[in-house]
Amino acid sequence: GAVVSQHPSWVICKSGTSVKIECRSLDFQATTMFWYRQFPKQSLMLMATSNEGSKATYEQGVEKDKFLINHASLTLSTLTVTSAHPEDSSFYICSANDRPYEQYFGPGTRLTVT
Amino acid sequence: RKEVEQDPGPFNVPEGATVAFNCTYSNSASQSFFWYRQDCRKEPKLLMSVYSSGNEDGRFTAQLNRASQYISLLIRDSKLSDSATYLCVVSLGSSASKIIFGSGTRLSIRP
Repeated sequence: GAVVSQHPSWVICKSGTSVKIECRSLDFQATTMFWYRQFPKQSLMLMATSNEGSKATYEQGVEKDKFLINHASLTLSTLTVTSAHPEDSSFYICSANDRPYEQYFGPGTRLTVT
Repeated sequence: RKEVEQDPGPFNVPEGATVAFNCTYSNSASQSFFWYRQDCRKEPKLLMSVYSSGNEDGRFTAQLNRASQYISLLIRDSKLSDSATYLCVVSLGSSASKIIFGSGTRLSIRP
């Protein structure tokens, strides 16, 4: 199956700083990638759809000025959590699909904001 | 009412047992159905797609009842390695913005 990588796998940062998470499709091109957030014992919640060469589409309730998404190439999307706060601590997962209906997930990034 | 509902469990069963998970969805326009497996602190991984005719993959059997808007997953001869959270996933279209995840059912297999 298709491979999606994420970097870093975990990060600890201080409140008020910004953190950038990278998502890469390694063996296919993805015009669209997706960013999810998962809190402990809860399911994945779609945050935004990242579109190569255009603006991301954010789900209701997700602040686009806080979660900056850039999809500069067909294999890379980045999510920047700006001015992070402890409540932003979560598991962030990206995904992409090289064919309809089947999502391939990155290994996730665990963010802890102190 | 949640769009996709699952019993959160946990299900704690002995090795070798048969265990069944159920899932209901509310949108009759749902097109595709999947079961994903998620290990602790890991990303979800596709376990199997679910077809109207039912499908089987080794010890795993998935069934779909469109009339009742109900999906099931049966695991036979359970192994310790089956311990994970099983996510029921429903898709309204080909875009991930149309994919709805259930909150998952936790399964723990004991020796």
